[in-house]
Amino acid sequence: EPEVTQTPSHQVTQMGQEVILRCVPISNHLYFYWYRQILGQKVEFLVSFYNNEISEKSEIFDDQFSVERPDGSNFTLKIRSTKLEDSAMYFCASNLRGGTNEKLFFGSGTQLSVL
Amino acid sequence: AQSVTQPDIHITVSEGASLELRCNYSYGATPYLFWYVQSPGQGLQLLLKYFSGDTLVQGIKGFEAEFKRSQSSFNLRKPSVHWSDAAEYFCAVNRDDKIIFGKGTRLHILP
Repeated sequence: EPEVTQTPSHQVTQMGQEVILRCVPISNHLYFYWYRQILGQKVEFLVSFYNNEISEKSEIFDDQFSVERPDGSNFTLKIRSTKLEDSAMYFCASNLRGGTNEKLFFGSGTQLSVL
Repeated sequence: AQSVTQPDIHITVSEGASLELRCNYSYGATPYLFWYVQSPGQGLQLLLKYFSGDTLVQGIKGFEAEFKRSQSSFNLRKPSVHWSDAAEYFCAVNRDDKIIFGKGTRLHILP
């Protein structure tokens, strides 16, 4: 089965620093998503992205967050100035046609630790 | 409002025993319901989904789930677990075209 790839698997950063989490969605997919899971809590939707623009974002996704598809294969999540509460597992996902009746393919996640 | 509730944070069963993981949802319309599994170091993998029709749905790895509207439940079952089933299991529901996850149930398998 095709895979969504995320790098790095674990990122440690200092509070206030910028981080970029990278994802390579499945090549023919058109819809891209970021979710996060704070330890012990549920997986939460952050943002969806289609046709080079954000289609929806949650209240978590404030001005400190941005997403980009810089080169047609990568899909990145940037946190401009990290806070301690940004420590979480971040999952990238993609699907071909969008919507929740289409299977979402998830990556294995990037564990972000903000010190 | 909480859309998906998984009342059990941890479940421990013996290998070969049957399994049932509970999930309740709160949503006005008939929801789309999902079960995902997350094995250590792996991404979230879809086990099965319910959209409409037969309320008993079959998934991968021998799992099944039953949608019960009267109980607002979508419990996951497996007749005989294997050690490789040890993982975290997430129930999820669609809402406004986003997938909303429960907090997860961690399954431990005793040899």
